[in-house]
Amino acid sequence: QKEVEQDPGPLSVPEGAIVSLNCTYSNSAFQYFMWYRQYSRKGPELLMYTYSSGNKEDGRFTAQVDKSSKYISLFIRDSQPSDSATYLCAMRKSGNQFYFGTGTSLTVIP
Amino acid sequence: DVKVTQSSRYLVKRTGEKVFLECVQDMDHENMFWYRQDPGLGLRLIYFSYDVKMKEKGDIPEGYSVSREKKERFSLILESASTNQTSMYLCASSWNTGREAYGYTFGSGTRLTVV
Repeated sequence: QKEVEQDPGPLSVPEGAIVSLNCTYSNSAFQYFMWYRQYSRKGPELLMYTYSSGNKEDGRFTAQVDKSSKYISLFIRDSQPSDSATYLCAMRKSGNQFYFGTGTSLTVIP
Repeated sequence: DVKVTQSSRYLVKRTGEKVFLECVQDMDHENMFWYRQDPGLGLRLIYFSYDVKMKEKGDIPEGYSVSREKKERFSLILESASTNQTSMYLCASSWNTGREAYGYTFGSGTRLTVV
């Protein structure tokens, strides 16, 4: 079993929809949680970073961490065509290495 | 902004060639990483380095080696390229633990094709 599981999609939504992206993990040692956005043929870029359970909001994006369920989510409100990308979740224990999900491909249709 | 620069965006190499992928970061990060990214498999860690001249194997080090002679530069070497090494290669850097961990900063990637 992989340490981080992410539904690969693809996910296709109309412009303006609320998007929910999710990852589950198996190791309770994970403490730091991130979401990356990767446009086609580009490197991933850090979108959201959270430490501990709860919600963190940044504009149209909300990251949610539920450590008791080992579940993290990224919500995108009022989705735009420019949000079309692959979204990767990532998490870290106490060491230096991050563990990534396989990514969810999102298309927002105008 | 931190920049991680990979020397080539696209490379085409022949089977058996020795291939060098270069990565330079400008934010004095201690840690540097090399990943490959393949459809359905996600990001897989090849090698990483915590300090100059230090290196650690990741999950798939076979067929690869690395060099870190200077803090800002981390090179990935394919000793004898094979077709199954055709992939997107991503370099990343980060602060060491003990500092607030904002995650990796990635380069734009090198798409390597081995023919």
